[in-house]
Amino acid sequence: EAGVTQFPSHSVIEKGQTVTLRCDPISGHDNLYWYRRVMGKEIKFLLHFVKESKQDESGMPNNRFLAERTGGTYSTLKVQPAELEDSGVYFCASSWGQVSGGELFFGEGSRLTVL
Amino acid sequence: RKEVEQDPGPFNVPEGATVAFNCTYSNSASQSFFWYRQDCRKEPKLLMSVYSSGNEDGRFTAQLNRASQYISLLIRDSKLSDSATYLCVVNRRGNKLVFGAGTILRVKS
Repeated sequence: EAGVTQFPSHSVIEKGQTVTLRCDPISGHDNLYWYRRVMGKEIKFLLHFVKESKQDESGMPNNRFLAERTGGTYSTLKVQPAELEDSGVYFCASSWGQVSGGELFFGEGSRLTVL
Repeated sequence: RKEVEQDPGPFNVPEGATVAFNCTYSNSASQSFFWYRQDCRKEPKLLMSVYSSGNEDGRFTAQLNRASQYISLLIRDSKLSDSATYLCVVNRRGNKLVFGAGTILRVKS
């Protein structure tokens, strides 16, 4: 069974540019999450989808970040315009049920470097 | 103050040693507790859930003390392959995991 896949694995862009990260969750997982780790900090929650609906987007840093999950399948996270402090690793994760009782399956992450 | 606090380490131990990691959490409403493992430049993976009664999985033992808001992980007979970052993770009501910054373990031959 395929795991959570993320693309691109690494992106280097200049400040002010736009980047779109993609996540394909494990097939059948209704719950999809975005997390990120900036340099030297802990992994932090960004948002949570249940199917195509945003369940919780309390972790989104500002309106430069836009997440979508069309049709409840794959998800994209767009950063526009990118700032230096957006550099970090963006992890996508999925789960079948509630995370409180189960396991989150993470992708390998998309490393974003903003110059 | 961070919601989940861990000693960043690194813990440098010889093969075969026993090592213990501790973690404290500040939100008493936390309901679920986990240890995740993250290898260098890889994704976090669930190592084990942590229950109030304590639980064991092979060489790994996890303990939870709700009164003290304290979680521990004990690794016995350390292997080279145990070298990784160990992440203490808690979940409040809902579907949002809160991660500690991680404790680095290096097992040396």
